[in-house]
Amino acid sequence: QKEVEQNSGPLSVPEGAIASLNCTYSDRGSQSFFWYRQYSGKSPELIMFIYSNGDKEDGRFTAQLNKASQYVSLLIRDSQPSDSATYLCAVSTGGFKTIFGAGTRLFVKA
Amino acid sequence: EAQVTQNPRYLITVTGKKLTVTCSQNMNHEYMSWYRQDPGLGLRQIYYSMNVEVTDKGDVPEGYKVSRKEKRNFPLILESPSPNQTSLYFCASRSSGGNNEQFFGPGTRLTVL
Repeated sequence: QKEVEQNSGPLSVPEGAIASLNCTYSDRGSQSFFWYRQYSGKSPELIMFIYSNGDKEDGRFTAQLNKASQYVSLLIRDSQPSDSATYLCAVSTGGFKTIFGAGTRLFVKA
Repeated sequence: EAQVTQNPRYLITVTGKKLTVTCSQNMNHEYMSWYRQDPGLGLRQIYYSMNVEVTDKGDVPEGYKVSRKEKRNFPLILESPSPNQTSLYFCASRSSGGNNEQFFGPGTRLTVL
């Protein structure tokens, strides 16, 4: 069974700090990696995707991928209370078949 | 406005009574998918479609059917619902382009008694 593992949290960080969210996956054939944010009672929304080893930055968000270690992370710089949500890691082996982790709850304290 | 719509948003039904949850997108996306979300389990993919008339099973397809006769629509059919299909269901669409534009619908909360 292909798996995507995330620490369920909650992860609590003070406002302005860096939040670090981590995800590991079991299928070495995985090709595409996604991070979604889901506010309570709302739909997931895509915030980052990454295909290649290394870092990808978009505003306050940085996705990091290490295929050798089967590890993908999301860093949120200058965390804001509005970043408080559940963050979902998802992995695709190709096409549109996608496996999600159970999510990490993040609380940013003002 | 780019959007994915689902109907109904809430449904309470009884075991064995066939139902259909509709999904429609207005972005001309090739890919569409259905997920269920259960506490502690995250999102699990039920079925996905790469294009019209092309569908494939996700991780939890048992008890569900789909069809993709038009690009914009991707209905989810439960022929004989059972209580273990009580869940929150999301439809999603995604472009095949490199920007990975994708959107989720608002969700359908289904209760099977």
